[in-house]
Amino acid sequence: GQNIDQPTEMTATEGAIVQINCTYQTSGFNGLFWYQQHAGEAPTFLSYNVLDGLEEKGRFSSFLSRSKGYSYLLLKELQMKDSASYLCAVMDSNYQLIWGAGTKLIIKP
Amino acid sequence: ETGVTQTPRHLVMGMTNKKSLKCEQHLGHNAMYWYKQSAKKPLELMFVYNFKEQTENNSVPSRFSPECPNSSHLFLHLHTLQPEDSALYLCASSQDIENLANYGYTFGSGTRLTVV
Repeated sequence: GQNIDQPTEMTATEGAIVQINCTYQTSGFNGLFWYQQHAGEAPTFLSYNVLDGLEEKGRFSSFLSRSKGYSYLLLKELQMKDSASYLCAVMDSNYQLIWGAGTKLIIKP
Repeated sequence: ETGVTQTPRHLVMGMTNKKSLKCEQHLGHNAMYWYKQSAKKPLELMFVYNFKEQTENNSVPSRFSPECPNSSHLFLHLHTLQPEDSALYLCASSQDIENLANYGYTFGSGTRLTVV
């Protein structure tokens, strides 16, 4: 079967760095997405990785290793507004998105 | 405002009621989706419409009935629901596969549905 695993919840301190991991087993691979979802709001697109390596966008970076079925989202200089759920999703060979259950990130002052 | 608008934001309905959820996008996207989001569970794809044609029905019970009158509007008609159907229902749209790398899917804010 197809499976996406990510931690249920993480806690970090304002100003620090946090890494949210995602491992996957899917039928084929056409890219991996990270989305941010604040409570009661729409998920918003953060990043898309299809090749191995690190993609940086400001304070957020996303890494992919296709051989290991592994990705992480790195958040630097954490701000209180970064408190949200972070969703990992993989596009399989049929271009269907397979979603993880999300990681709830709690930022403490 | 995300570009995808869903109404209502909140809905409480009895098990014998009939109601409809509405989704609207004016982003020029060609594909629209209904997802179910339950607490601590992955997003569940329900239906996919591409150029107004339904291309995916992910084994959804018949008490959920989608309608796509045009490429900008998507409805989800609900009848005789069960309490376990209580969840956040999200609508999303996308342009095409080539643009997913830059923009991904655009989601609406969802309808929080409670079945009593």
